Amino acid sequence: GAGVSQSPSNKVTEKGKDVELRCDPISGHTALYWYRQSLGQGLEFLIYFQGNSAPDKSGLPSDRFSAERTGGSVSTLTIQRTQQEDSAVYLCASGSAGLKRFFGPGTRLTVL
Amino acid sequence: EDQVTQSPEALRLQEGESSSLNCSYTVSGLRGLFWYRQDPGKGPEFLFTLYSAGEEKEKERLKATLTKKESFLHITAPKPEDSATYLCAVIAYSGAGSYQLTFGKGTKLSVIP
Repeated sequence: GAGVSQSPSNKVTEKGKDVELRCDPISGHTALYWYRQSLGQGLEFLIYFQGNSAPDKSGLPSDRFSAERTGGSVSTLTIQRTQQEDSAVYLCASGSAGLKRFFGPGTRLTVL
Repeated sequence: EDQVTQSPEALRLQEGESSSLNCSYTVSGLRGLFWYRQDPGKGPEFLFTLYSAGEEKEKERLKATLTKKESFLHITAPKPEDSATYLCAVIAYSGAGSYQLTFGKGTKLSVIP
């Protein structure tokens, strides 16, 4: 079966532009997570979706970051007015009833 | 605040030289501990879940153990293909039916032929 997929794999943008990152979770997984991984840092939690419940947005670093999940499946992470410090690898993970989480390959974002 | 500390940050081993990676944690309401392997340019790949102190899991040359304060990932007779960054993460209940996963910064393992 297909794993978690993310697109694009790489994104280069100019400071101040908006970007959208996409995540396609494993079919049937009700939980979806976004993480950010900066060079030399651990994975930083951003946001968590579980079924139809309100998302846990406690990890979003600023109001420039938002995410939505449509139809309980595909999710889009949007970063508005990008800054250079937003450069990182953005990882999406999905999971089912258990605690195990499966990660996608990530989107490497570079803000010039 | 939940904390996860991995050591060493980097480890170079000769092929066949066994060693251990450490993951120490402070967390309230621990529900489990994960080990992941991450290759350059890829997302983390799941290795093990440990749920309670004393538990051990094995997979090929890797064995993970758990105590109340730390976990070890033992690598026996490593091969160059074991070179990767190994990530530890703890999962704890954060209320309202959700769980928080906190990652360490990882140990970068290099196995030299």
